[in-house]
Amino acid sequence: DQQVKQNSPSLSVQEGRISILNCDYTNSMFDYFLWYKKYPAEGPTFLISISSIKDKNEDGRFTVFLNKSAKHLSLHIVPSQPGDSAVYFCAASAWGNEKLTFGTGTRLTIIP
Amino acid sequence: DAGVTQSPTHLIKTRGQHVTLRCSPISGHKSVSWYQQVLGQGPQFIFQYYEKEERGRGNFPDRFSARQFPNYSSELNVNALLLGDSALYLCASSLAVGQGQPQHFGDGTRLSIL
Repeated sequence: DQQVKQNSPSLSVQEGRISILNCDYTNSMFDYFLWYKKYPAEGPTFLISISSIKDKNEDGRFTVFLNKSAKHLSLHIVPSQPGDSAVYFCAASAWGNEKLTFGTGTRLTIIP
Repeated sequence: DAGVTQSPTHLIKTRGQHVTLRCSPISGHKSVSWYQQVLGQGPQFIFQYYEKEERGRGNFPDRFSARQFPNYSSELNVNALLLGDSALYLCASSLAVGQGQPQHFGDGTRLSIL
């Protein structure tokens, strides 16, 4: 049972444009969501998180949007840069249980 | 500041053997979690420890065990290795437990079972 789903295995975006990565979840107990970026041969790097009491959180070029009624979140990267090319994982946890449940990842390729 | 460090980086074992993986958290972090990542999948939760106590366990067999030491470092042990245990094993640390505490990952140990 995949509780966190990233339905796009890959995404290609022109440099300078906006990248939008999507994530859906099924477990209504999830209330904390995170995005990680992973380069080959490295561990996941924390990018940005959002609590269920918010619907938007920004950090520089990265913005995460949360739509609780649709059980959907998205990561916007603007402007996209070549160094953003990586695999992006969405993760979620429930209050009182810090176990992270991950999606299967989306490979983002930024085209120069 | 040093991030999460894991050792060894790569390991090759044969079926039936035992393995110990090690993790040092970010300085000041008291919680350590272990994840298994197989190719094409996201990391799967194995264990979480906080202040040397097990806080959570994922859906893994009893062949998997872990512990946390007084200096907050941790070991993951796997007995009777199977071919299916071949994976990247990731350690993550966080300041404490509770919401709003993102986990920060090391670069992992790549375990290959022959």
